[in-house]
Amino acid sequence: QSVLTQPSSASGTSGQRVIISCSGSNSNIGSTYVYWYQQFPGTAPRLLIYRNNQRPSGVPDRFSGSKSGTSASLAISGLRSEDEANYYCAAWDDSLSGVVFGGGTKLAVL
Amino acid sequence: HLQESGPGLVKPSATLSLTCSVSGDSIYPYYWSWIRQPPGKGLEWIGYVFYTGSTKFNPSLKSRVTMSVDTSKSQFSLKMTSVTAADTAIYYCAGAVGETADVQEWGQGTLVTVS
Repeated sequence: QSVLTQPSSASGTSGQRVIISCSGSNSNIGSTYVYWYQQFPGTAPRLLIYRNNQRPSGVPDRFSGSKSGTSASLAISGLRSEDEANYYCAAWDDSLSGVVFGGGTKLAVL
Repeated sequence: HLQESGPGLVKPSATLSLTCSVSGDSIYPYYWSWIRQPPGKGLEWIGYVFYTGSTKFNPSLKSRVTMSVDTSKSQFSLKMTSVTAADTAIYYCAGAVGETADVQEWGQGTLVTVS
């Protein structure tokens, strides 16, 4: 059971906009930054969004993040087949004094 | 660049030992972390060691985990005692910016099987 809650799967067709949600609590999302990671099968995760809504260099602006209260979301617009991957949200948890992850969302591009 | 090394097979009740070699970056600025992923499952933070030697661990693993850093070799290590099949996972070494979930550097990961 993950501390942060994400849907296990999401899907969309090419060109569509998809939103992946991440729900937490006051001890994590409600009080700290949210981060998003993208992971392809057989590879290490890579940082996709940092500090709620910032993109590292090299990440397309089709990816955007937002946060409100104890929830966060990752939006992917102009969906492409190469976006098929697993997406994880993460945050520091002040109560646990450590990093907590969501269970991950498997994105399918139909 | 981070590279994990260590045995890929560990017997139940034994101690899992992994080392991560850091190249191309200074050992100093990051909180050097270990994150694992059971096959087909999600990510779990194990803990971090800072270059000063200070550590912080996942409460669920704290009693079994130690971490250390060797700045002269640009390496940091993980030891996990009394392992069971539930500890079978891909273990990633990683570098985080501060006490945050901002993990900017990742190793390729190494599969450790407990059997």
